[in-house]
Amino acid sequence: EIVLTQSPGTLSLSPGERATLSCRASQSVSSNYLGWYQQKPGQAPRLLIYHASSRAPGIPDRFSGSGSGTDFTLTITRLEPDDFALYYCQQYGSSPLTFGQGTKVEIK
Amino acid sequence: QMQLKESGPGLVKPSETLSLTCTVSGDSISSNYWGWIRQTAGKGLEWIGHIYGVGDTINNPSLNSRVNMSLDMSKNQFSLTLRSVTAADTAVYYCVRTRILGIYLPFDSWGQGTLVTVSS
Repeated sequence: EIVLTQSPGTLSLSPGERATLSCRASQSVSSNYLGWYQQKPGQAPRLLIYHASSRAPGIPDRFSGSGSGTDFTLTITRLEPDDFALYYCQQYGSSPLTFGQGTKVEIK
Repeated sequence: QMQLKESGPGLVKPSETLSLTCTVSGDSISSNYWGWIRQTAGKGLEWIGHIYGVGDTINNPSLNSRVNMSLDMSKNQFSLTLRSVTAADTAVYYCVRTRILGIYLPFDSWGQGTLVTVSS
């Protein structure tokens, strides 16, 4: 089973700042099948990024993903008030599919 | 616009069977992958499994022996049963779609989630 470790646990930033979230895998993620999701309180997660760097339909271009192998990054340029939420990475390259434990982006 | 909606009992007794149904609108369950994910405060998000095609399944080995999934094409629904539940199975259960036609999008659509509590 691939274990995904996200860091930091919490990121305290102000609107307009840049957020950089990390996701490290315990072994290489096949074909870079790595996704990022945003979750707000009381809501289901929402797909932001798939295949490590492709934006899902309707996702603003201030969200970008990068990385390969075992190290992946989600970057949010110019944080907007609506972006303060929980973010999860998830690998779907091998079974069982697994999620990271999440990074909370909070308002400083 | 496609939607998924979970339904089923919110309370299940220990050692009994949890049964949930997901009703899909705006897409046909004869295509794409359909699955279940649960979320707890302690373990976070956990993939339970997928069902696709005529009923082929891929399950999380940690739950494999207790999980069964099925499709009902006539109602455009798919279902989850989880046997011999314990308090550790208390979670919010989400049904999800993985789109595979035209473009591969993992878990691109989610239901609103339903809380299932295991308690006597």
